[in-house]
Amino acid sequence: KNQVEQSPQSLIILEGKNCTLQCNYTVSPFSNLRWYKQDTGRGPVSLTIMTFSENTKSNGRYTATLDADTKQSSLHITASQLSDSASYICVVTIQGAQKLVFGQGTRLTINP
Amino acid sequence: DTGVSQNPRHKITKRGQNVTFRCDPISEHNRLYWYRQTLGQGPEFLTYFQNEAQLEKSRLLSDRFSAERPKGSFSTLEIQRTEQGDSAMYLCASSPGLAGGPYEQYFGPGTRLTVT
Repeated sequence: KNQVEQSPQSLIILEGKNCTLQCNYTVSPFSNLRWYKQDTGRGPVSLTIMTFSENTKSNGRYTATLDADTKQSSLHITASQLSDSASYICVVTIQGAQKLVFGQGTRLTINP
Repeated sequence: DTGVSQNPRHKITKRGQNVTFRCDPISEHNRLYWYRQTLGQGPEFLTYFQNEAQLEKSRLLSDRFSAERPKGSFSTLEIQRTEQGDSAMYLCASSPGLAGGPYEQYFGPGTRLTVT
């Protein structure tokens, strides 16, 4: 079964600290992996997208990694800001298919 | 604003009533997707269109659900005889649908449905 599992389910850190979110997937055949940020009550917004051959991709303070062998990805947030408080969703695309397989998300809260 | 728009943003309805949501994709995007998201979960795929053709439907899309994209531009999602289990956020996304990829999906703000 094609699944995407994220951990932790929720995370609380202080402003200015770094954090890393994890994503494991069993989707096959794999096409690409994306990380989305979703603010409460809003639609998801793309942060990064990586194909099979990419190991790392950065977007400002966000850095995503991908290990296609172990089927794991991580999203590292550096020097967190209050505006980083949101849900972060890992999404994998099945090769040849149009639908995305979403993880359940990690709810991140940044406290001042 | 040239992003994906959805209307209404919120809908409260009584069980058994029919509801219809609208999605306006980014202009000239060929592909349009509908997703459903319940609290604390990631979105789940419902269906997608390539222009006006509905090419894939999830098993989640029961016979009470119907989606259309008559002219290949905006789309509507109708739920008939709503049930409390239909309460969720309904998200629409669009993408250019260009050959190759990966292509980006741009999400709208969603329609929050509450069935009482």
